[in-house]
Amino acid sequence: AQSVTQLGSHVSVSEGALVLLRCNYSSSVPPYLFWYVQYPNQGLQLLLKYTTGATLVKGINGFEAEFKKSETSFHLTKPSAHMSDAAEYFCAVSPTGANSKLTFGKGITLSVRP
Amino acid sequence: NAGVTQTPKFQVLKTGQSMTLQCAQDMNHEYMSWYRQDPGMGLRLIHYSVGAGITDQGEVPNGYNVSRSTTEDFPLRLLSAAPSQTSVYFCASSSTLGRAQNTEAFFGQGTRLTVV
Repeated sequence: AQSVTQLGSHVSVSEGALVLLRCNYSSSVPPYLFWYVQYPNQGLQLLLKYTTGATLVKGINGFEAEFKKSETSFHLTKPSAHMSDAAEYFCAVSPTGANSKLTFGKGITLSVRP
Repeated sequence: NAGVTQTPKFQVLKTGQSMTLQCAQDMNHEYMSWYRQDPGMGLRLIHYSVGAGITDQGEVPNGYNVSRSTTEDFPLRLLSAAPSQTSVYFCASSSTLGRAQNTEAFFGQGTRLTVV
């Protein structure tokens, strides 16, 4: 069984501030981990993914995430928030990759203040 | 390249009505799936398919039927709509060929369904 926990439902940061969105997972096997972004009235877009290898993963739009097995975490960060980053962010886990069942967290809405 | 196309984008149904949500992909992906998105609950898997003729249930399959007669299409059927099925529905597809590390799930734009 696998699950994803995203604590809190809403994060608000000032433009230019650090963005930190937390994700913890549980999985009975080495996981594949994903972060997706959803802009208003849009589908989901892949930000980045961890499969194997380097634990620090860089994605699109300046986002990155670090896989920490000991903490069962995959937190998403961006050094400097931009207004265009306002969206909903979902962390997801899969036992065998994107071509199998994804289990999503509840999502976090990021607001960016001018 | 259209990717994953869902129709309709919006739909209002009366309780007890039936309808089919359409999903088509043009990437020759074997794996297709349906999710529903509800506020505060993220996305939950309804049904999925690993190829034509093969389907299986996800986390919340009750009230929904699927079939997969072609690689391209994966329709989701609501036989008797209920207000609890008011949600946003997303279809996704991905390839099962090659290394799992290289796969990516592609999502459609969603269908916003309201059952009154």
